[in-house]
Amino acid sequence: GQNIDQPTEMTATEGAIVQINCTYQTSGFNGLFWYQQHAGEAPTFLSYNVLDGLEEKGRFSSFLSRSKGYSYLLLKELQMKDSASYLCAVRDRGTGANNLFFGTGTRLTVIP
Amino acid sequence: GAVVSQHPSRVICKSGTSVKIECRSLDFQATTMFWYRQFPKKSLMLMATSNEGSKATYEQGVEKDKFLINHASLTLSTLTVTSAHPEDSSFYICSAREMTVDTQYFGPGTRLTVL
Repeated sequence: GQNIDQPTEMTATEGAIVQINCTYQTSGFNGLFWYQQHAGEAPTFLSYNVLDGLEEKGRFSSFLSRSKGYSYLLLKELQMKDSASYLCAVRDRGTGANNLFFGTGTRLTVIP
Repeated sequence: GAVVSQHPSRVICKSGTSVKIECRSLDFQATTMFWYRQFPKKSLMLMATSNEGSKATYEQGVEKDKFLINHASLTLSTLTVTSAHPEDSSFYICSAREMTVDTQYFGPGTRLTVL
């Protein structure tokens, strides 16, 4: 099966930097995704890592270490609108359909 | 970017009735679509994988006779909740896999309330 862990809640100050960690255990790793979800809305795609290293996209960066089963999402220059849940999801080829399996999500609150 | 729509966005129904939810990929073809449900403050739980032209694959614990899935075309999948009960009240979200970038894009979700 899949075992995906991320902190339940985090709080950070507007303008600051925050790092959201995700650890995973899966038998058929085939990529890791980060999604942002505002309350009552569907997730929106943020980033995708399949090789080790850092992927940067504007204020958002995502890092992956496959040997450690570890990823993080880095958010810079935080804005109030960044308050949301951030979901780490692992794609597992072992299921045959390359399904995504989600962590419980990290609820980020940005304060002034 | 790729756009996925869902209809309806909200539905309230009486216990015992059936509800159909549509999921469409608007600007790409999706051979595979996924159906998730999400309870308040909980993560997404995969219910089933829907493949165009074939039977859906259901996750363990999901009743296939209760949650009917049809993927009739490369842009449309439907989920029908049959004989709905209050415990079926949830946020149902579909996603579609865009093959050229091999990424799932989510629909806006459907909030189902069963009275």
